[in-house]
Amino acid sequence: DIQMTQSPASLSASLEEIVTITCQASQDIGNWLAWYQQKPGKSPQLLIYGATSLADGVPSRFSGSRSGTQYSLKISRLQVEDPGIYYCLQGYSAPYTFGAGTKLELK
Amino acid sequence: QVQLKETGPDLVQLTQTLSITCTVSGFSLTTYNVHWVRQPPGKGLEWMGAMWNGGGTDYNSAFKSRLSISRDTSKSQVFLKMNSLQTDDTAKYFCARQGYYDGYASFDYWGQGVMVTVSS
Repeated sequence: DIQMTQSPASLSASLEEIVTITCQASQDIGNWLAWYQQKPGKSPQLLIYGATSLADGVPSRFSGSRSGTQYSLKISRLQVEDPGIYYCLQGYSAPYTFGAGTKLELK
Repeated sequence: QVQLKETGPDLVQLTQTLSITCTVSGFSLTTYNVHWVRQPPGKGLEWMGAMWNGGGTDYNSAFKSRLSISRDTSKSQVFLKMNSLQTDDTAKYFCARQGYYDGYASFDYWGQGVMVTVSS
């Protein structure tokens, strides 16, 4: 099974700050990587698909990138509505696997 | 519009079987794949398995032979059944549609989830 190692586990940042979350895949998954945001009591919402493409309706301050088997989600200017838990998901092959999540809080 | 809704019990007894139905609208089960994901309280997301649009299935081996996913395309429903429930199966269970964008698959629509507690 493909393992997704996500870091950091938690993060506290100030408004307008740049935030970066990473996921390391245990093997090549190409661009089969998506990022999700989950707020308390809600279902996950798709932010990024294909490692770098912004999902419909997602603010442009969110972006995804890839370097080999390392994937990053960047929030360019943290806003008040951005705290939540962020997950990566590899959809390259079943069993699909999520990262462990990053809890993002406002400082 | 695309919607998914999970229905199932709030409480299941230890060692019993869990049955959850995901009823979808706005898309066809013969065109899109539907996945099951669960989330124990305060913990992360865990992929459980998939119903492929062609009718095949895939499962997370962590559930060994306890898990079964099936569908009724005429009713636009996907079913999850898991037996021999233990207390660590207490979780919110989600179904999610797998959409394709620029050739890449993502879970683009999710149900609201159903919270299931396994009680001894």
